[in-house]
Amino acid sequence: EDQVTQSPEALRLQEGESSSLNCSYTVSGLRGLFWYRQDPGKGPEFLFTLYSAGEEKEKERLKATLTKKESFLHITAPKPEDSATYLCAVQARTRSSASKIIFGSGTRLSIRP
Amino acid sequence: KAGVTQTPRYLIKTRGQQVTLSCSPISGHRSVSWYQQTPGQGLQFLFEYFSETQRNKGNFPGRFSGRQFSNSRSEMNVSTLELGDSALYLCASSLVRWTSGTFSYNEQFFGPGTRLTVL
Repeated sequence: EDQVTQSPEALRLQEGESSSLNCSYTVSGLRGLFWYRQDPGKGPEFLFTLYSAGEEKEKERLKATLTKKESFLHITAPKPEDSATYLCAVQARTRSSASKIIFGSGTRLSIRP
Repeated sequence: KAGVTQTPRYLIKTRGQQVTLSCSPISGHRSVSWYQQTPGQGLQFLFEYFSETQRNKGNFPGRFSGRQFSNSRSEMNVSTLELGDSALYLCASSLVRWTSGTFSYNEQFFGPGTRLTVL
């Protein structure tokens, strides 16, 4: 069964303390992995798309990487405004060769000043 | 470019009633997906429409239905509301690629959501 697991569920960091969020997946036929940021009461905001193992994308203090089994979202020297829930989603091939998107449960990141 | 819009933003209904939510995708996006988000279950996929056809469906009862119009706008309907239907309902739109005989999605762009409270 296709599955996407994010860890940890919650992470509290001090401002400036770098860390990584993990998204591991078990899917048949990966067609892309997406990272989103979601603030309370709002819709998820798109951050990155990764398509193949070894690919990396960067945006400000965030860097996303992809291997054949997992993706990491590295956050360098975070600021309080980086506090949010970070969601990972995987696009997988279905039996009929269509595509489906599966979301992980998210990591709640809190940055203390 | 205007983003995804959802109306209404907030709704309060009572058990047994029905509700219709609306979503206007980003111009040019023909795929529209609906999700239910609750604190306990996270983001749960409801269904996806492309060119007025439902192409994917999640594991929700038949009380949840939807449709898409020729201008790609989509509506979602929930009949016979239950307390457990209280949630944030999110709509997302996406471009779709046709590669080697299969559909693939580009990244999804989400609307602000409709907060439904069932009393």
